Amino acid sequence: DAKTTQPNSMESNEEEPVHLPCNHSTISGTDYIHWYRQLPSQGPEYVIHGLTSNVNNRMASLAIAEDRKSSTLILHRATLRDAAVYYCILRDGGSQGNLIFGKGTKLSVKP
Amino acid sequence: NAGVMQNPRHLVRRRGQEARLRCSPMKGHSHVYWYRQLPEEGLKFMVYLQKENIIDESGMPKERFSAEFPKEGPSILRIQQVVRGDSAAYFCASSPIPGQGYMDTGELFFGEGSRLTVL
Repeated sequence: DAKTTQPNSMESNEEEPVHLPCNHSTISGTDYIHWYRQLPSQGPEYVIHGLTSNVNNRMASLAIAEDRKSSTLILHRATLRDAAVYYCILRDGGSQGNLIFGKGTKLSVKP
Repeated sequence: NAGVMQNPRHLVRRRGQEARLRCSPMKGHSHVYWYRQLPEEGLKFMVYLQKENIIDESGMPKERFSAEFPKEGPSILRIQQVVRGDSAAYFCASSPIPGQGYMDTGELFFGEGSRLTVL
């Protein structure tokens, strides 16, 4: 699985949008972009994933660059409960194996 | 539909004892993954199992660690002769059978983790 690069930490104010960037310049054509997050003292949870087109779900939006070498996870209105470590992970669409977690971005949300 | 269940949530062992961590995957899931997270660090893959088979154990330490996922019952991660460096949170994840929605999302469903403390 190709590597990703994320900022170590970011801060946001409550009820403001948050844009979490991820660079993946060596992404291959069959790699899906997955985002997970880990709240304090909990296991990771799936947030969103995409291949080429932008994606929206109830938790977040995923904006994927046209060349797919970068993507941005968008939280439209940050809440205190969104404070977590966010992981951007590439996974080959044909893979049945594990997810490789990097260091992620630690998001702090200020009231 | 219950999520991935791990027990015990907290386990304390003395050096040299054995630790057994159990993971019951979500209903209908036949793939189990174990990860370890040391304090203040990221998750590291340990092993990937299907029912009665180890598919990928490239992240397992060569000694003292073993894992199984029997035909019936939960998956077990076993650590023999624990040392202080084994103190960590151990997370289990499961996924459904490929071809039944798995490839659509590739999503892994994680449990709450088992926190092992070695005294």
